[in-house]
Amino acid sequence: DTAVSQTPKYLVTQMGNDKSIKCEQNLGHDTMYWYKQDSKKFLKIMFSYNNKELIINETVPNRFSPKSPDKAHLNLHINSLELGDSAVYFCASSQDLAGYEQYFGPGTRLTVT
Amino acid sequence: AQSVTQLDSQVPVFEEAPVELRCNYSSSVSVYLFWYVQYPNQGLQLLLKYLSGSTLVKGINGFEAEFNKSQTSFHLRKPSVHISDTAEYFCAVSAGGTSYGKLTFGQGTILTVHP
Repeated sequence: DTAVSQTPKYLVTQMGNDKSIKCEQNLGHDTMYWYKQDSKKFLKIMFSYNNKELIINETVPNRFSPKSPDKAHLNLHINSLELGDSAVYFCASSQDLAGYEQYFGPGTRLTVT
Repeated sequence: AQSVTQLDSQVPVFEEAPVELRCNYSSSVSVYLFWYVQYPNQGLQLLLKYLSGSTLVKGINGFEAEFNKSQTSFHLRKPSVHISDTAEYFCAVSAGGTSYGKLTFGQGTILTVHP
């Protein structure tokens, strides 16, 4: 059983399109995150949610909108995709807000052409 | 604000040799420190963490790290590496205050173990 799963694994799309990435965790955790890993492998947090409530919202363009329908799911919707959005997006979860042990999904490689 | 610097971007080593991956951090408040490993085309996996207590922390796969507050370091070590340890390793810090619950990662160190 996969603890944190993401779909799709790969996403290739054109500039200007809108796309979504889905994340689900079956660990019973309260907190979920989205991270972006750029081409240099630098990993940066984008958002975190705790029990469906937005907690961390880093300086991310408004084109990125997270949605948490319940505490086991955190989706990421991206409008008007740009070349610079190409990256690997990781979802993660932790038991609580302290986030001391985060479990990561396998990542979604987004390529914008 | 918190930050992490991994001092080596790449570390090549021969199988069964010891290895040390260096990590320095900065934070104005108490910190919690972590090492994660990323195998090719996979997500990150927690190797070990320092929250409090003993400054020598043991993790999975034979890795250990030592928290040194005076030198603001958290170096990762393994006495004898295997080919299967080839991966990218990330040091991360989480602090209190406005950074509560936020993991800040270093730039990563690629460990390559040669036969």
